[in-house]
Amino acid sequence: DVKVTQSSRYLVKRTGEKVFLECVQDMDHENMFWYRQDPGLGLRLIYFSYDVKMKEKGDIPEGYSVSREKKERFSLILESASTNQTSMYLCASSFAGPFHETQYFGPGTRLLVL
Amino acid sequence: AQSVSQHNHHVILSEAASLELGCNYSYGGTVNLFWYVQYPGQHLQLLLKYFSGDPLVKGIKGFEAEFIKSKFSFNLRKPSVQWSDTAEYFCAVNARDGGFKTIFGAGTRLFVKA
Repeated sequence: DVKVTQSSRYLVKRTGEKVFLECVQDMDHENMFWYRQDPGLGLRLIYFSYDVKMKEKGDIPEGYSVSREKKERFSLILESASTNQTSMYLCASSFAGPFHETQYFGPGTRLLVL
Repeated sequence: AQSVSQHNHHVILSEAASLELGCNYSYGGTVNLFWYVQYPGQHLQLLLKYFSGDPLVKGIKGFEAEFIKSKFSFNLRKPSVQWSDTAEYFCAVNARDGGFKTIFGAGTRLFVKA
């Protein structure tokens, strides 16, 4: 069974703090993704990575950065947290097959920025 | 740019009622289509997917979806819902030539009354 784990289920931070969200997958997937999930907006892609040290901006990258130093680990960084970054953050991974394989999701991190 | 539209944000049904959740996408090329489900307190997980072949695809728990290319639609159906189908359902699309990005709809919250 594919397992995608995220470092925290719930996080409370103050405005201006630097925030690190970690994601680890155990299936040797090439692709990893960070989304934020907001009511009525579905999932919006922040960043994705298709290989170690490779990253691509998604639809809403502003205010975020990512790091992928090892294949199994993909980190999302909020350089200076703001209240509008309060959200549920989902990590996902997939194989880089020819048919854009199924994504496997972690449990999510619910972040509250005060 | 690709987009995915889910027709209903909230659906309330009684047990044994039939379900159809609408999904339309905008993209002229070849697409891969997915329905994901998020049960309360659980990870987002794949319900079913269409890559090619028979446009009527069957997924887990008695769900099916039909790809109608001329209508750019991929509606989800179940003949008789159960209380345990209460969840949020997301339609998702990625383009074969669009890289690794998958676009998600805003989601439909289904509540099934016992």
